[in-house]
Amino acid sequence: DTEVTQTPKHLVMGMTNKKSLKCEQHMGHRAMYWYKQKAKKPPELMFVYSYEKLSINESVPSRFSPECPNSSLLNLHLHALQPEDSALYLCASSQRDLNQPQHFGDGTRLSIL
Amino acid sequence: AQTVTQSQPEMSVQEAETVTLSCTYDTSESNYYLFWYKQPPSRQMILVIRQEAYKQQNATENRFSVNFQKAAKSFSLKISDSQLGDTAMYFCAFSVYDMRFGAGTRLTVKP
Repeated sequence: DTEVTQTPKHLVMGMTNKKSLKCEQHMGHRAMYWYKQKAKKPPELMFVYSYEKLSINESVPSRFSPECPNSSLLNLHLHALQPEDSALYLCASSQRDLNQPQHFGDGTRLSIL
Repeated sequence: AQTVTQSQPEMSVQEAETVTLSCTYDTSESNYYLFWYKQPPSRQMILVIRQEAYKQQNATENRFSVNFQKAAKSFSLKISDSQLGDTAMYFCAFSVYDMRFGAGTRLTVKP
């Protein structure tokens, strides 16, 4: 069973739409992550939240806006995306920081029309 | 800048045999962490093994073990008694201030 739950599993949106990706974990982890993974490529770190505060933003365009409402939830708000943003978006969590093992969700497959 | 290199895009092994996946990295830091993650076709990424750079002893997890050579900046993964369920993409990863993954090695275990 997946301990990190991501919704939706699939999302198709136009370039002018606003949508959000959701991630939830109930393992008591205090660090949560967003990754972008293109087909046949490794994951690329986008954002890191540590104790509900944004600690790393890997120069991600502002059309991606992360939010961490509480220690169990992580959102990624999407607005005015480009076709090259089509990818698998993975959420992960770990106990404290990047040096600990990460638990990944199944991802959201995003397609931009 | 931290980089991670996996020089074997694809590998195959017969069931029950042993296979070794290679990984090299580059960093000027002395304390860091290394990981091997597995991503089966169902796509959920799973941790295989983790190594702390300040520990000289190589990490092991059941059939999975690493050969960590800090001076050579090498971190290879050995899978013993390969099983069909080991078929997956394997990513070597490195963390200091952020997280970097290698390009991956697609491993196929053949019956």
